[in-house]
Amino acid sequence: DAKTTQPTSMDCAEGRAANLPCNHSTISGNEYVYWYRQIHSQGPQYIIHGLKNNETNEMASLIITEDRKSSTLILPHATLRDTAVYYCIVLTGANSKLTFGKGITLSVRP
Amino acid sequence: SQTIHQWPATLVQPVGSPLSLECTVEGTSNPNLYWYRQAAGRGLQLLFYSVGIGQISSEVPQNLSASRPQDRQFILSSKKLLLSDSGFYLCAWSVRSKFGGTEAFFGQGTRLTVV
Repeated sequence: DAKTTQPTSMDCAEGRAANLPCNHSTISGNEYVYWYRQIHSQGPQYIIHGLKNNETNEMASLIITEDRKSSTLILPHATLRDTAVYYCIVLTGANSKLTFGKGITLSVRP
Repeated sequence: SQTIHQWPATLVQPVGSPLSLECTVEGTSNPNLYWYRQAAGRGLQLLFYSVGIGQISSEVPQNLSASRPQDRQFILSSKKLLLSDSGFYLCAWSVRSKFGGTEAFFGQGTRLTVV
């Protein structure tokens, strides 16, 4: 019951932008969209989150559609070290249970 | 700063032996705490979830149990390990963010091999 759907995998060339889509059509008004990534054999790493406005930090940008039913994580200049499984999840602020779907495997090729 | 300690990093245990994995959190209070398991090549499966001391929710039936004796301590245990308990175990915590939403952070995991 992760409440999000993502493609199974995608790849992109090193140095190009990687656009990772996520559908969350049942998102409610108080739920935030979060992105994490997991590099092999490590714990998941927080990337970015947002409610309804687009967000940018040093790692990525998050574009959320106006109806909030989908979002896209953008890695502007992908590197080989960005190869990982990327998880999109939705959470409220109060006692949200952190559950993950299968995520999307991003492979960055040289 | 907020940190999470999980140990050991790797563990090899014989079938039928007991297990105790400990996770402690620093720099925050009253966090939600989680134990996950990840089998090889699979996703993160939520095992246990706790919103406070002594409050444990079990997400899947299994051979494991969890306890929260202190606010920032979460322990995963088994009385007798099975081969199927092998996997990568992750502890995590989350707390309501002052900026809205929920902040969550993960430990570095324990790779358990039951032989």
